[in-house]
Amino acid sequence: AQSVTQLDSQVPVFEEAPVELRCNYSSSVSVYLFWYVQYPNQGLQLLLKYLSGSTLVKGINGFEAEFNKSQTSFHLRKPSVHISDTAEYFCALRNNAGNMLTFGGGTRLMVKP
Amino acid sequence: DTGVSQDPRHKITKRGQNVTFRCDPISEHNRLYWYRQTLGQGPEFLTYFQNEAQLEKSRLLSDRFSAERPKGSFSTLEIQRTEQGDSAMYLCASSRPGRGGNQETQYFGPGTRLLVL
Repeated sequence: AQSVTQLDSQVPVFEEAPVELRCNYSSSVSVYLFWYVQYPNQGLQLLLKYLSGSTLVKGINGFEAEFNKSQTSFHLRKPSVHISDTAEYFCALRNNAGNMLTFGGGTRLMVKP
Repeated sequence: DTGVSQDPRHKITKRGQNVTFRCDPISEHNRLYWYRQTLGQGPEFLTYFQNEAQLEKSRLLSDRFSAERPKGSFSTLEIQRTEQGDSAMYLCASSRPGRGGNQETQYFGPGTRLLVL
């Protein structure tokens, strides 16, 4: 069985401050990892993905994430957030054994002026 | 590439009624997925098609749920005899095989929000 844990349900942060959204996973086989963002009443938009190669991946809107196999983590970071980054962020995993995505419970990022 | 589209965006129905949702994937994407997202939770996998074949179904997909993709293009998800617990956002995603067959990325539609009264 595989699982994704997002440790923080909400992360409040001031505008222009750095932010890290944590994601840990569990899987017995190799994994592919994704971060999606969901704005209110909308579907999910892909932020970035780790499929192979460099463990530091860069995505859209200035976000980046680092795959750490030993710590089974894929934390999302941004050095300076904007009000427009306020949204729900989901970490997801897919492994070699199947095609479905397994999602974490989400982290609500709240950027305050 | 016009993205994944879903119709309707919102549906309100009374308990016991049947509802049907439609998903149009990105053209040339041969894989199509349905997920369900309840309030405050992450999406949960329901079912998956490769072309017209339904290859995987979650235990969440009870007998009241049926999904089809008759020509390998658009897909429909029908819920019969709806219950209040069916209230959720139903998300569709599509993809095409990446390198090695497994390096694919799923692209999501805007979702259909269902409210069962």
